[in-house]
Amino acid sequence: QQQVKQSPQSLIVQKGGISIINCAYENTAFDYFPWYQQFPGKGPALLIAIRPDVSEKKEGRFTISFNKSAKQFSLHIMDSQPGDSATYFCAAGQTGANNLFFGTGTRLTVIP
Amino acid sequence: SAVISQKPSRDICQRGTSLTIQCQVDSQVTMMFWYRQQPGQSLTLIATANQGSEATYESGFVIDKFPISRPNLTFSTLTVSNMSPEDSSIYLCSVQGQGNGYTFGSGTRLTVV
Repeated sequence: QQQVKQSPQSLIVQKGGISIINCAYENTAFDYFPWYQQFPGKGPALLIAIRPDVSEKKEGRFTISFNKSAKQFSLHIMDSQPGDSATYFCAAGQTGANNLFFGTGTRLTVIP
Repeated sequence: SAVISQKPSRDICQRGTSLTIQCQVDSQVTMMFWYRQQPGQSLTLIATANQGSEATYESGFVIDKFPISRPNLTFSTLTVSNMSPEDSSIYLCSVQGQGNGYTFGSGTRLTVV
């Protein structure tokens, strides 16, 4: 059973555009929602994370929007750049638990 | 955050053989985690390795297939035993940082032929 559902599977955005990736979860015990960025040949790297006490978190061009009632969260990349081309994974976890449940990933391509 | 060195970075192995993947962390950590990343699928936790005790395996993963060693607080190995093509994946070592954030190694891309 997929604990975290992620869409779209792939995304192509023009340089300067907004990239939006969506995730949904079922387990209401989750209280930690990170996004990871992975470049080819590299391990995933933590990009930004949010906890359910806030509805939005922004770090530079990256913003997480969180909707607790809908059990959904999304990553917005503003002013997308070719260097943002990578695979993005959302995840969900619970404080005190070791396991993070990952989405299936979104391959983002930003074309110049 | 911790720096993780993982090797080999990739390997092509014959079915029926075993491969041991090494993970070295630049700081002492209580727990180390091994994940599998199958093509087009999620990262899935295989097991949690604590120093001085048996590893804890997630549902669907067994010690006979994925034996893990954790001889000290900075090092762990994962062995993929009696490999089949279905074991072709990227295997990732990870440690937990501040909060719930995880740091991952660069991964080992395994192809079984």
